Amino acid sequence: AQSVTQLDSQVPVFEEAPVELRCNYSSSVSVYLFWYVQYPNQGLQLLLKYLSGSTLVESINGFEAEFNKSQTSFHLRKPSVHISDTAEYFCAVRENTGGFKTIFGAGTRLFVKA
Amino acid sequence: NAGVTQTPKFRVLKTGQSMTLLCAQDMNHEYMYWYRQDPGMGLRLIHYSVGEGTTAKGEVPDGYNVSRLKKQNFLLGLESAAPSQTSVYFCASSFSGEETQYFGPGTRLLVL
Repeated sequence: AQSVTQLDSQVPVFEEAPVELRCNYSSSVSVYLFWYVQYPNQGLQLLLKYLSGSTLVESINGFEAEFNKSQTSFHLRKPSVHISDTAEYFCAVRENTGGFKTIFGAGTRLFVKA
Repeated sequence: NAGVTQTPKFRVLKTGQSMTLLCAQDMNHEYMYWYRQDPGMGLRLIHYSVGEGTTAKGEVPDGYNVSRLKKQNFLLGLESAAPSQTSVYFCASSFSGEETQYFGPGTRLLVL
């Protein structure tokens, strides 16, 4: 069975500082990996995803994540955060064997302070 | 193009009451999903549908029923609400099982 662990429930950081949100998963088969962002009182939005190919994937707003198969991790990073990045971030995994059930982590609340 | 919409946005129920949550999507997606979000637990799949007229159970289906009579709509029903069903409910849709899921804004349900 798949599972997703987000190691930090909350991450406070100062504006313009770098940040890393950690995600580890377990699965007996190959997977697709996702990061979603949820701004206050809104639904989830896809931030970036890894399906195949390059293990480093980027979003349009400066976030990146690297798929590390040996460590079963998909950590999310940004070199310099903005106040507007304050949100909850969810890591998710889906088996790439034709299944469609996506398992979500518990979420990491990123709080960017001025 | 409104994407995924949910009705209502907020509802308060008494224990034992029933209600239906409506999800609508205008992207011609085949797959639709209902999740609940609880603090510290992420999103858990309640029920899903792989096409018009089909439904199936997800991770936490007890106490809920669903229907997909039209491709664009996916209804979630609570026949007899319980306080344990207090949660935020999200609907999502995708073109196929392997494609990105698009989420609605959520429905906040409080069961007293």
